[in-house]
Amino acid sequence: HFVLTQPPSASGTPGQRVTMSCSASGSNLESNYVYWYQQVPGTAPRLLIFRNNQRPSGVPDRFSGSKSDTSASLAISGLRSEDEADYYCAAWDDSLTDYLFGTGTKVTVL
Amino acid sequence: QVQLVESGGGVVQPGTSLRLSCAASGFTFSNYGMHWVRQAPGKGLEWVAFIYYDGSGQYYADSVKGRFAISRDNSKNTLFLQMDSLRADDTAVYYCASEYGDYGADNWGQGTLVNVSA
Repeated sequence: HFVLTQPPSASGTPGQRVTMSCSASGSNLESNYVYWYQQVPGTAPRLLIFRNNQRPSGVPDRFSGSKSDTSASLAISGLRSEDEADYYCAAWDDSLTDYLFGTGTKVTVL
Repeated sequence: QVQLVESGGGVVQPGTSLRLSCAASGFTFSNYGMHWVRQAPGKGLEWVAFIYYDGSGQYYADSVKGRFAISRDNSKNTLFLQMDSLRADDTAVYYCASEYGDYGADNWGQGTLVNVSA
């Protein structure tokens, strides 16, 4: 059973760097891309990172993604108040028939 | 501009059916795979279903397999989600989202609320 586990919360002061992890169990991330989505409460999700570490146009380079065989990470540098949101990783399983969102990390800007 | 607009949500009783629609505009709909994603009140995102750009393949979360069916009409730029045998735990905001190849779900609708309640 494929599961993506994220820490429930992360926080930092403005200007700080915040990182969050996405750990896979039941499937390996080695051969599959990881995506990251940002969701400000009350709004639709927004794609932040695709193909492990690529940013769509319009996403600031303060956001960066990385991946190993069993986990992925999202980093936010130069934290800003508007970064306060929920962040979800996502990936297809090895059979490419089951898409999964991580458990989500709530980022608070202190 | 790219726009996805969901409709069809509402309050329904357990065991009944509902059909959601997602009207797409501002992009070549027939080139994009489409997802349905839901979010129960106060909970995280849950993937529901995906359909290939040409409708040739569909995938479902285990929680909805056999009860929900995703389909599309590329001539009308519209995505559908037929939901049968609805249960209380299907209560959620349902989003449609488009994805070109494996570039991620880069456009999302505003969501439509489905409330399954007796």
